[in-house]
Amino acid sequence: EIVLTQSPGTLSLSPGERAILSCRASQSILNSYLAWYRQKRGQAPRLLIYNASKRASGVPDRFSGSGSGTDFTLTISRLEPEDFAVYYCQQYGSSPLTFGGGTTVEIK
Amino acid sequence: EVLLVESGGGLVQPGRSLRLSCAASGFNFDDYAMHWVRQAPGKGPEWVSGINWNSGRTDYADSVKGRFTISRDNVRNSLFLQMTSLRTEDTAFYYCARGISGTTGWFDSWGQGTLVSVSS
Repeated sequence: EIVLTQSPGTLSLSPGERAILSCRASQSILNSYLAWYRQKRGQAPRLLIYNASKRASGVPDRFSGSGSGTDFTLTISRLEPEDFAVYYCQQYGSSPLTFGGGTTVEIK
Repeated sequence: EVLLVESGGGLVQPGRSLRLSCAASGFNFDDYAMHWVRQAPGKGPEWVSGINWNSGRTDYADSVKGRFTISRDNVRNSLFLQMTSLRTEDTAFYYCARGISGTTGWFDSWGQGTLVSVSS
């Protein structure tokens, strides 16, 4: 099973600032099969990025993903109020599909 | 608009069974793999099970293998999860999620979830 470790656990930032979130895998992820989700309180997760760097339909271009192998990054260029939430990475390169433990982006 | 609506959750005693359903609309259901993902309160998501478009392939997390069974009805545009021998650690919100192909991939649409509480 591929274990995903997200860091930092919590990121305290102000609206308009840049957020950089990390997701590290315990082994190389096939074909960079990694997705990112945002989850607001009381809601289901929403897909942001798939295949490490492709934005999902309707996702603003302030969200970008990068990385390969075992190290992946989600960057939010300028934080909007709705971006203060929890972010999860998920790998689908091998079964079982696994999620990271999450990064909370909170208002500073 | 893609819509996934789960039902069937509730309070159940350890060792008992429960069947979850997910009604899908707004897309060609039999073009997509489907999954169940759960999330315990205050925890991250955990993938539970996936099924490909024609039920030819299924896959399960080790934590539920042998106890849960995923199925689908492409005529009724519905996804199911039969859960048996429930344990307290199965307590979570259960989400129905749309996949891509096979039993892997990302989840591009999610339902609102149904809460399963396993307690004596």
